[in-house]
Amino acid sequence: NAGVMQNPRHLVRRRGQEARLRCSPMKGHSHVYWYRQLPEEGLKFMVYLQKENIIDESGMPKERFSAEFPKEGPSILRIQQVVRGDSAAYFCASSPGTQETQYFGPGTRLLVL
Amino acid sequence: AQKVTQAQTEISVVEKEDVTLDCVYETRDTTYYLFWYKQPPSGELVFLIRRNSFDEQNEISGRYSWNFQKSTSSFNFTITASQVVDSAVYFCALSLSRTDKLIFGTGTRLQVFP
Repeated sequence: NAGVMQNPRHLVRRRGQEARLRCSPMKGHSHVYWYRQLPEEGLKFMVYLQKENIIDESGMPKERFSAEFPKEGPSILRIQQVVRGDSAAYFCASSPGTQETQYFGPGTRLLVL
Repeated sequence: AQKVTQAQTEISVVEKEDVTLDCVYETRDTTYYLFWYKQPPSGELVFLIRRNSFDEQNEISGRYSWNFQKSTSSFNFTITASQVVDSAVYFCALSLSRTDKLIFGTGTRLQVFP
């Protein structure tokens, strides 16, 4: 069984550009979570989605960030007009249901120049 | 408020030593889950263990063992006979039954020297 897939693994953007991060959950998992890890820090929850629904976006910055998990295809975390402070590792996790273990992907390292 | 504290920022040991990583959590909920994840130098996050609040039995898996004590709100992780491959950052995390998000501690960097 393939694990959680994330792409790209590394992404470089200039200030003001858009970043799109993709996450394909493990087979059989319908719950997706996004976390951000700033340099030398722990992971911080951003958003929790199920197919076509945002369940909890309490950790998402109010502006420029959005997430979706369409009926078909991967979950997408979109960051518009990136700034240097967005440079971080973004991790996606998936689980088969509520209160189940979350399994993480390898992360996308975003660098904003 | 919910919180996870890993007071040890960095620990260095020599191979074959035993090492304990501390984790203290805060929550007023009675139903919750505790986790440990490992982040090796390659950067991915590897799941190690999940415990629910009603199960205080200690767990052993090979060289790894976990001590869950509700009385002190701690969920400590011990590696016996450490090896160089154990070098990583270890994160303790908490989730509540009413929300699925993981609340992470700041991590403990373990360096095992040969």
